[in-house]
Parts: sequence; C-alpha cells; structure tokens
Amino acid sequence: AQSVTQLGSHVSVSEGALVLLRCNYSSSVPPYLFWYVQYPNQGLQLLLKYTSAATLVKGINGFEAEFKKSETSFHLTKPSAHMSDAAEYFCAVSEGRNTPLVFGKGTRLSVIA
Amino acid sequence: DGGITQSPKYLFRKEGQNVTLSCEQNLNHDAMYWYRQDPGQGLRLIYYSQIVNDFQKGDIAEGYSVSREKKESFPLTVTSAQKNPTAFYLCASSRTGTGGYNEQFFGPGTRLTVL
Repeated sequence: AQSVTQLGSHVSVSEGALVLLRCNYSSSVPPYLFWYVQYPNQGLQLLLKYTSAATLVKGINGFEAEFKKSETSFHLTKPSAHMSDAAEYFCAVSEGRNTPLVFGKGTRLSVIA
Repeated sequence: DGGITQSPKYLFRKEGQNVTLSCEQNLNHDAMYWYRQDPGQGLRLIYYSQIVNDFQKGDIAEGYSVSREKKESFPLTVTSAQKNPTAFYLCASSRTGTGGYNEQFFGPGTRLTVL
C-alpha cells in the first residue's frame, strides 16, 4: 500500500533562509508525487508535481522538489523564505493516473522576521 | 471562472443530527472526492466518485454517505452514526482518462462543528 511520511510536523526558518521540507513515500509502482500548500481555513493549492518526467520539478512561488528513487524521497526546497510562505504543506502520492491521493500528515512552516 | 464551490464555509449542528455538505464544480471533471482534515492528521479520503451514479468508499467512510446524481455535484451527508464529526471537510475534483496524471483541484472547504 502506498504511504507518505513527512518528517517534522513544524519547521521554523528565518526570513531569507533555506526552506527544506522532507517527504518520503512508499509505493509498489512508480509513483506520481505532489506538494500542496494550504493557508489557514482555505483549500489546498498545488505547488508542484512529479509525473515521471524530469526528476527536478519546479513549481510556483520559487519552490522546487527532487524525486530520488533510491531514497524514496521527494523533498521540497526554496532557496530564500518569505513571510508569505508561512502555511501548511502536504506531500501526496498516487499509484495510478485516476487513483485518489494519499496524503502525509503535513508540515507547518513558520517564517521568522 | 471555473472552480469548485463548497457551502457553507462554517456549519454548526447539534449532536445526533444529520447534516449535508454541498460541493459543486463547473470544471467538467468526471471524478470528485471528499476528504476530512483533522489537526496533525493530514487529509483522509472519505468517498470518491469517478462517474455519475457510481462511488467508492475511502479509508474512513463509516458514518458518511454520498450521492452522485449529476456530474457537477457530489454532496456529502454526515450522519448521526459518525462518532466525531467535527472537522474540516474538503471536496476535490479531477479529469479522468489517459494523457498523464489527472491532478486534483480543491474547493475552499467547510468547517463543521457539532455541539
């Protein structure tokens, strides 16, 4: 069965510092992988997705993620944090084109001025 | 503008009452999904539907029911059998078919509080 583990329920960084949010997945087939962002009391917005093309995926708002099959990881990074990046981030996996997503438990990112 | 609407945004109900959450989309998507979100738990799948008049249980379907009579609409009923219904409920939709992964688009959510 597919699953997602996000290391760290809360990550705090200074404004301008590197953002690194960790995601490891388990899947019996080549997965589709996603990062979503959620602002308080809102729905989820897709940041980026891996669908078996390039292993380094660029998304919106300066975020990117690298698919590493050997490490079963899909960590999310951003070189320089902005205050507006404070939100909750979810990693998700799917094993099929039309299969529902399985989500990690989320990581809340705080950005300190 | 195309999108997903959920109403109401906040909903309060007394314990023991059934309540129906609305989800409508005008994206012409075939598939629709309901997720429940609790603090620290991520999103968990309640039900999903890939075509009109058909739906499947997700991981936490007990105490919930759905219908899919129209392509645009996928209402969720939280019944009195649901032990702990207070949560944030998110609806999503996606295309189906070939041509790459069909990403899910999310509505703004409904926060249900049972008193």
